[in-house]
Amino acid sequence: ETGVTQSPTHLIKTRGQQVTLRCSSQSGHNTVSWYQQALGQGPQFIFQYYREEENGRGNFPPRFSGLQFPNYSSELNVNALELDDSALYLCASSRTQLAGGPSAGELFFGEGSRLTVL
Amino acid sequence: KNQVEQSPQSLIILEGKNCTLQCNYTVSPFSNLRWYKQDTGRGPVSLTIMTFSENTKSNRRYTATLDADTKQSSLHITASQLSDSASYICVVILMDSNYQLIWGAGTKLIIKP
Repeated sequence: ETGVTQSPTHLIKTRGQQVTLRCSSQSGHNTVSWYQQALGQGPQFIFQYYREEENGRGNFPPRFSGLQFPNYSSELNVNALELDDSALYLCASSRTQLAGGPSAGELFFGEGSRLTVL
Repeated sequence: KNQVEQSPQSLIILEGKNCTLQCNYTVSPFSNLRWYKQDTGRGPVSLTIMTFSENTKSNRRYTATLDADTKQSSLHITASQLSDSASYICVVILMDSNYQLIWGAGTKLIIKP
């Protein structure tokens, strides 16, 4: 158990619809990041939030947006869904990453939200 | 371009056998390297972290190595168990302002009884 919870676990949407995925981070963690993982692929970084502000973004279009709340929980919103958006969406929380420190790059992942777009 | 490449893409071995997974990276500036284990349909879990000065580190039946000169890492699994069936993902942490993570595509390991 990582202490990171995601909801919903599975959902099905149709093209053009919008979806909101939610994540509660581990207690004491102020950084949350979101990843998209297609079947058979490694996770692809979408963006990261630190203290309610986006402080890093991968190669994803603006229709992927997010929020982090004062309690450090987070949402991922995807507008105008496309078939290629079908994937496992992973949320990960972490302490502030310190280069060279023992916690560097240590992410605690939730179980993911499996999105299917028809 | 910062990249992490893993090999083999997939591997099938018999229970009780050993195996070694490879990770090559072209990431700079390098901070640390982590190996994650991901069971099917679940989130990844960190197995070990390798810093620039470390050559080898063991965690139960897992032994990770790092050669910073050749930019290669390996994960050796000893006496494999059925529960080792999973994807193993190599992640390199950049020493930039956001400590960006560069993910490999993973090696899918299947242990057969």
